[in-house]
Amino acid sequence: LAKTTQPISMDSYEGQEVNITCSHNNIATNDYITWYQQFPSQGPRFIIQGYKTKVTNEVASLFIPADRKSSTLSLPRVSLSDTAVYYCLVGGLYNFNKFYFGSGTKLNVKP
Amino acid sequence: NAGVTQTPKFRVLKTGQSMTLLCAQDMNHEYMYWYRQDPGMGLRLIHYSVGEGTTAKGEVPDGYNVSRLKKQNFLLGLESAAPSQTSVYFCASSYTAGDYEQYFGPGTRLTVT
Repeated sequence: LAKTTQPISMDSYEGQEVNITCSHNNIATNDYITWYQQFPSQGPRFIIQGYKTKVTNEVASLFIPADRKSSTLSLPRVSLSDTAVYYCLVGGLYNFNKFYFGSGTKLNVKP
Repeated sequence: NAGVTQTPKFRVLKTGQSMTLLCAQDMNHEYMYWYRQDPGMGLRLIHYSVGEGTTAKGEVPDGYNVSRLKKQNFLLGLESAAPSQTSVYFCASSYTAGDYEQYFGPGTRLTVT
């Protein structure tokens, strides 16, 4: 089971780009990297998923180096509404029951 | 399209009481999950189901039972509640086993006194 290490918290200002890095040294060959966002008093929400190189969608980008031992979630031009906890998860196909959410990174966006 | 709904939203139990939490999804998803989240911590998987009539244990199954009699519903039961089960419970569903996008419900806040 590949566990992850993330910073406990980060501060940013509105309009800045935020990069949250996740370390997963024991990632297995068939593991994917998935990021979720959680607002207070709500369930987590899927943001993005990737296996290698770079993935981009309408809300974020995910950068994964060649060795795949870390990944970086990039949020462009954050706003106050991006204040939330961000979780990095590592798991293999059909291994969903071993998803490990960890404590996540609390992102605080200031005006 | 309501997505994933959970009933009730809040509940207070006395030690030893029993209760059932209901999760319903209208997305025709095969897979459903129950998690608990304790203050300042991530989510931990309690039980999950890969289809109607099937259930399996997750990371922290002790003290809980589940049933999936209908595809759209996943029930979580506490037979004899303990203070250690005070937590926020989240239900989630996904379309397939290879689908990492789980859809979460709004949660049930349970307090056991």
